[in-house]
Amino acid sequence: GAVVSQHPSWVICKSGTSVKIECRSLDFQATTMFWYRQFPKQSLMLMATSNEGSKATYEQGVEKDKFLINHASLTLSTLTVTSAHPEDSSFYICSAREDPGSFSYTQYFGPGTRLTVL
Amino acid sequence: GQNIDQPTEMTATEGAIVQINCTYQTSGFNGLFWYQQHAGEAPTFLSYNVLDGLEEKGRFSSFLSRSKGYSYLLLKELQMKDSASYLCAVLDSNYQLIWGAGTKLIIKP
Repeated sequence: GAVVSQHPSWVICKSGTSVKIECRSLDFQATTMFWYRQFPKQSLMLMATSNEGSKATYEQGVEKDKFLINHASLTLSTLTVTSAHPEDSSFYICSAREDPGSFSYTQYFGPGTRLTVL
Repeated sequence: GQNIDQPTEMTATEGAIVQINCTYQTSGFNGLFWYQQHAGEAPTFLSYNVLDGLEEKGRFSSFLSRSKGYSYLLLKELQMKDSASYLCAVLDSNYQLIWGAGTKLIIKP
């Protein structure tokens, strides 16, 4: 149980284009999903917290107009990197947390999406 | 401020035991997590402790002392595949997960 999928696994795009990444909880309902970014050999950095049916909460320094997050259902959240530039190249990872009634608030991670912007 | 400390890197020998420590200072406490992250991959959940004591799960065990703000992850019978980063994370009073920087564990034959 507690499987999270992420699509695509890899994406290469040209500078200035937009890229959409999907995160799905496959066998549980995720009221809350999280988007992280990780540069090589660095720690996980939380970008935003996404709650189903409401606007995402962005961490300080993360541009909400550049990283658009939509959490339209209890099993799907999307992150769109708009007008991507080479400095946006990174490993983007989503995680999903079970219903708030769950005891542990455990986050389960998707496999990640490696974005390369040329 | 909120702070989680764990060693940057540790080295151990295949077949041995290693203990990875984590100390924390957070605004409130609602549990502590350990995750494993192999290079180039996403983290995978290992354990969750909210009460004091030792939780054993196969070769891995996790210990918590809330009064000391301290936890450790114990890995027994080390295998080469255990080479990874181990992340300690604390759920604070707002149920926000505060992440440590991770401990890179290198296993040598």
